[in-house]
Amino acid sequence: QVTLRESGPALVKPTQTLTLTCTFSGFALNTSGMCLTWIRQPPGKGLEWLARIDWDDDKYYSTSLKTRLTISKDTSKNQVVLTMTNMDPVDTATYYCARTYYYVSGTYSNYYHTDVWGKGTTVTVSS
Amino acid sequence: DVVLTQSPLSLPVIPGEPASISCRSSRSLQHSNGNHYLDWYLQKPGQSPQLLIYLTSTRASGVPDRFSGSGSGTDFTLKISRVEAEDVGIYYCMQVLHTPPAFGQGTKVEIK
Repeated sequence: QVTLRESGPALVKPTQTLTLTCTFSGFALNTSGMCLTWIRQPPGKGLEWLARIDWDDDKYYSTSLKTRLTISKDTSKNQVVLTMTNMDPVDTATYYCARTYYYVSGTYSNYYHTDVWGKGTTVTVSS
Repeated sequence: DVVLTQSPLSLPVIPGEPASISCRSSRSLQHSNGNHYLDWYLQKPGQSPQLLIYLTSTRASGVPDRFSGSGSGTDFTLKISRVEAEDVGIYYCMQVLHTPPAFGQGTKVEIK
């Protein structure tokens, strides 16, 4: 059974750096094709894709946020960490991590399949 | 970046009646292998999003067959043949062909 759990501070001040951790079980991030994605959702708004780290340590970021985001993994701990610098009140949101599987070849080559999400962690940015 | 535009943004439905949601992409979502890399998610009230349809038309495990997806190129549709009360929530399309991936704005389905 695949599970993911996001953790981090519920409240951060403007200009601070946010560090979020996704702890997962039921799969291994060092398995070929396995990836981990972060998505966020401001209150009452839609979903925004943030970043992804792949089994081979390739990393991909949102175009608008790439200067502020860093994603990393610790396969021994089954954890992925997302940091976001220079936090602002507009970054107030629920942050989700989700398992993603990459089909390297075959019928669905180059397809990133995101299937299981965590429950999310709510982050408020306020002084 | 690819932009996905959903319509309508709000969809009041009557139980037992059909419903349809459109998702249009600013770029073609067809891979060279012929598949279209467009997924659908449903976020029920108070819950995380759940995968509904992947690769345009394949239902995820456990998804009732009243849900169907179709489309090609830049135009995609999610249909519910007969809406049930448990189908309320916000539906999102997501493209995964181009980097970075992107979501549509979401369509809120509620019971009329």
